[in-house]
Amino acid sequence: AQSVSQHNHHVILSEAASLELGCNYSYGGTVNLFWYVQYPGQHLQLLLKYFSGDPLVKGIKGFEAEFIKSKFSFNLRKPSVQWSDTAEYFCAVYFGSSYKLIFGSGTRLLVRP
Amino acid sequence: EAQVTQNPRYLITVTGKKLTVTCSQNMNHEYMSWYRQDPGLGLRQIYYSMNVEVTDKGDVPEGYKVSRKEKRNFPLILESPSPNQTSLYFCASSYRVNQPQHFGDGTRLSIL
Repeated sequence: AQSVSQHNHHVILSEAASLELGCNYSYGGTVNLFWYVQYPGQHLQLLLKYFSGDPLVKGIKGFEAEFIKSKFSFNLRKPSVQWSDTAEYFCAVYFGSSYKLIFGSGTRLLVRP
Repeated sequence: EAQVTQNPRYLITVTGKKLTVTCSQNMNHEYMSWYRQDPGLGLRQIYYSMNVEVTDKGDVPEGYKVSRKEKRNFPLILESPSPNQTSLYFCASSYRVNQPQHFGDGTRLSIL
């Protein structure tokens, strides 16, 4: 079965630290890739997406992600986090072979001031 | 303003009392879906709909029903709610399933 894995369930960083959150998916066919953010008490919002082209994708609020097809990965990065980045981050993958959109289990990020 | 509207936002009810959570979008999206969010389990899909009159089960459909009679509405029905359905529910929509999802503000259900 197709799946999406986010191995880091909880991450704690200090402000200005660099961030990398992992996302791996199980299948090697055509995929569309997404990262969403959920701030405390709010709904999910799109951070960035990858459909094709340059595998390094830039999103909002200084976030970027890199698609590495050979590793089935789409890791989220930010060079310097801020306290306001405290949130839960979800990776999502659309699998073209099955027309299914699957979310990872999420990573809770706490940024200490 | 483009939005996905869920109602109610909060509901406390008792086991067995039928309830409906409404979801409406004003973006003419074809794809709509329902998720439940539980601590440590992330987002799990309950049902989805590719278009009007086309619905299908997600990963956790037991105990839920949906209908898609109009493009803009996708209600979630709990015929006989049970305490294990206590959760935070999100409705989402997009032009197509492979496009970015627009989420509603969520509905927090407590089943006693």
